[in-house]
Amino acid sequence: DAGVIQSPRHEVTEMGQEVTLRCKPISGHDYLFWYRQTMMRGLELLIYFNNNVPIDDSGMPEDRFSAKMPNASFSTLKIQPSEPRDSAVYFCASSFSGTPHVEAFFGQGTRLTVV
Amino acid sequence: AQKVTQAQTEISVVEKEDVTLDCVYETRDTTYYLFWYKQPPSGELVFLIRRNSFDEQNEISGRYSWNFQKSTSSFNFTITASQVVDSAVYFCALSGKDDKIIFGKGTRLHILP
Repeated sequence: DAGVIQSPRHEVTEMGQEVTLRCKPISGHDYLFWYRQTMMRGLELLIYFNNNVPIDDSGMPEDRFSAKMPNASFSTLKIQPSEPRDSAVYFCASSFSGTPHVEAFFGQGTRLTVV
Repeated sequence: AQKVTQAQTEISVVEKEDVTLDCVYETRDTTYYLFWYKQPPSGELVFLIRRNSFDEQNEISGRYSWNFQKSTSSFNFTITASQVVDSAVYFCALSGKDDKIIFGKGTRLHILP
């Protein structure tokens, strides 16, 4: 398996534009997590899904952020409209909840810069 | 609520010294998992170890060792004979019955040649 795949790796956009980040989890994993990493706040959990259903989105900072998981092999995180303070590295991770409980595997991340 | 505290934001040691990274966690769950991840300068997050709440045995893997103590809610990580390649940010994480994985703020480790 190729691991968790995120695209794009880098994104530079202007304030006010819509940004869509993409993630393909590891096949067979039933959990998918979106994290945001900044110097100030570290690794924050934004939202996570189980079997394609959002379980907890309490970490999503504002209504400008939305996430979907239309099927087991794809998820998106959308920011509309984007703002400079959204600049961060966004990680997607997946895990398997079976026995033994498995750790989360992370993608390479998307570095987002909003100018 | 679950919480992970890594009180050491940054540590610098000279190569070949031993160094311990502290992790203290909070959870009301009786079954939970603890993790350590490494984030080298290249930015990816690399899994190091998983521990479940029923297994308090310490673990050693080469120069790495982990000390899990439920009595103090701690899961500390020691690197013996540190090397420059160990320079990275290290994260401790916790997952409880809801399978949500919460990370500490991380400890940035500098190994000086």
